[in-house]
Amino acid sequence: QTVVTQEPSFSVSPGGTVTLTCGLSSGSVSTSYFPSWYQQTPGQAPRTLIYSTNTRSSGVPDRFSGSILGNKAALTITGAQADDESDYYCVLYMGSGILFGGGTKLTVL
Amino acid sequence: EVQLVESGGGLVQPGGSLRLSCAASGFTFSVYTMNWVRRAPGKGLEWVSYISSSSTIYYADSVKGRFTISRDNAKNSLYLQMNSLGDEDTAVYYCARGRPTDYWGQGTLVTVSS
Repeated sequence: QTVVTQEPSFSVSPGGTVTLTCGLSSGSVSTSYFPSWYQQTPGQAPRTLIYSTNTRSSGVPDRFSGSILGNKAALTITGAQADDESDYYCVLYMGSGILFGGGTKLTVL
Repeated sequence: EVQLVESGGGLVQPGGSLRLSCAASGFTFSVYTMNWVRRAPGKGLEWVSYISSSSTIYYADSVKGRFTISRDNAKNSLYLQMNSLGDEDTAVYYCARGRPTDYWGQGTLVTVSS
């Protein structure tokens, strides 16, 4: 069974840059999977940050960017802020289904 | 403004049934794929099911045969009929628009417990 892999946790300093990645247990992530990134803070609904690899959702600041790095999708946060502390999920759209990664808990400190 | 409002959650006993609804507004509902996604306590987001604008339907293996997704374009509404509920189905259920998804509802809590 194919699994979407993400770092379980990551830490970044305020003002710093962090890159979260999204891989596949077998194979490479490509743009054909429309990799997308969602942010969820406790008690809140998910928020779409990036879809289709690198398209920012409406209202998302340009310090969030998406890309393909090697064989993985990546979410880069530039100039991290305190309220970026959250869970980040990668999603791959694969034919008949949708696969969520396990999420990355980002700490800003 | 795009709005998705879920309803129908609540407490149900194991083996029971529940029907969730999602009322959509602010966009042309009929042309969009719609999804149900859930988050169980202490776990990550999990895709449950989607229905395309042409009513092509897919389910996650974990709910296949127990859950049924449907839509009523005349009422701008999405539904999820959940049968044979188990403890593992306890979660907040979100309605989400699009493939890939761009807008999300606030969610409705389903608790399966005796």
